[in-house]
Amino acid sequence: DQQVKQNSPSLSVQEGRISILNCDYTNSMFDYFLWYKKYPAEGPTFLISISSIKDKNEDGRFTVFLNKSAKHLSLHIVPSQPGDSAVYFCAASARNAGNNRKLIWGLGTSLAVNP
Amino acid sequence: ETGVTQSPTHLIKTRGQQVTLRCSSQSGHNTVSWYQQALGQGPQFIFQYYREEENGRGNFPPRFSGLQFPNYSSELNVNALELDDSALYLCASSSERGHEQFFGPGTRLTVL
Repeated sequence: DQQVKQNSPSLSVQEGRISILNCDYTNSMFDYFLWYKKYPAEGPTFLISISSIKDKNEDGRFTVFLNKSAKHLSLHIVPSQPGDSAVYFCAASARNAGNNRKLIWGLGTSLAVNP
Repeated sequence: ETGVTQSPTHLIKTRGQQVTLRCSSQSGHNTVSWYQQALGQGPQFIFQYYREEENGRGNFPPRFSGLQFPNYSSELNVNALELDDSALYLCASSSERGHEQFFGPGTRLTVL
């Protein structure tokens, strides 16, 4: 049962335009959400995160929006650049009984930004 | 500030063998998590170590075991390797109260 879902396996946008990557989750216990970017043969790179008490977090060209009632979040990249081409993973976490946090990941969306 | 490092980068083993993967956490981080990423999948949580003790485990059999050392570096050991263990193994470190986990480059394990 996939608790974090990224329903679009791929996305293609033109350089300079907006990229919108979507993520849905099912577990209402998740209280922190993160976006990672991954190039082939490298580990994931942390991009941006958001706490469940917020609905928006912005960092430069990257903005994450959270809609708790819809259990939906999205990552906006404006303007998109060819160097943004990578696989983007949405991850969610909740604090467990042992006071630890594990990340639950989506399957990723492959973004291609065309010059 | 030194980032997360992992060794080796690639490894080829045969079924039934044992493997040890190593991870050095980012300076200032005392928590290490291990993930397995199969091709076309998101990373799957294996376990987490905090202050040298296992602090949470995912759905992996006991032949997956780990250690954390006083300097917070960590090892992942896999016994009796199976073909399905072929994957990218990722190590991530985080601070005690940090939400964000920072990843190393991974170790690509191939089991033949």
